[in-house]
Amino acid sequence: DAGVTQSPTHLIKTRGQQVTLRCSPKSGHDTVSWYQQALGQGPQFIFQYYEEEERQRGNFPDRFSGHQFPNYSSELNVNALLLGDSALYLCASSFGFRLNTGELFFGEGSRLTVL
Amino acid sequence: SQELEQSPQSLIVQEGKNLTINCTSSKTLYGLYWYKQKYGEGLIFLMMLQKGGEEKSHEKITAKLDEKKQQSSLHITASQPSHAGIYLCGADIPVFSGTYKYIFGTGTRLKVLA
Repeated sequence: DAGVTQSPTHLIKTRGQQVTLRCSPKSGHDTVSWYQQALGQGPQFIFQYYEEEERQRGNFPDRFSGHQFPNYSSELNVNALLLGDSALYLCASSFGFRLNTGELFFGEGSRLTVL
Repeated sequence: SQELEQSPQSLIVQEGKNLTINCTSSKTLYGLYWYKQKYGEGLIFLMMLQKGGEEKSHEKITAKLDEKKQQSSLHITASQPSHAGIYLCGADIPVFSGTYKYIFGTGTRLKVLA
């Protein structure tokens, strides 16, 4: 049973560039959430996708956008990269969009470094 | 301000010692989750607590949620080097009209000396 998979695991970009991160949820899960974790900090919620729509969004600028595909996989796009965007980006999946989240299953993360 | 406060921020203990990590909120929690993260990796789910006064154990790790559902503690008995990592609490916090947001604490870095 495949867990949550993310790609790429590591990447380096320069300021102003754009990046796309990908996530495949755990088998049987249909809801995907994205988190940004800066070094030494807890994960910060970016947004959540269910039925191909953004359902909830954290306090992140519009440079952060996402997409969910019919197979439940998801992408996180960040435009006009800033040095402060350097972080570990975590994808989490769960089953069924509910008002309370329940247990989340996390991927290993994508480590983004912006130079 | 951080809605979920964890303490201590870091902890170094000798192998075999017991330790406790705390997670505190100013709001009532509607689901409290403990995760472990190895440095730079994804989070691994440990336990979920939902009822006031609830206590759960898994191997040498015990988590409790207080009656008011505003504070949780994670206790590790007879720590081992394999317990090293970052422990994060996560919680469902009510936002409005019955909706919730899922937030994390700042994490506690645990190092266990052999």
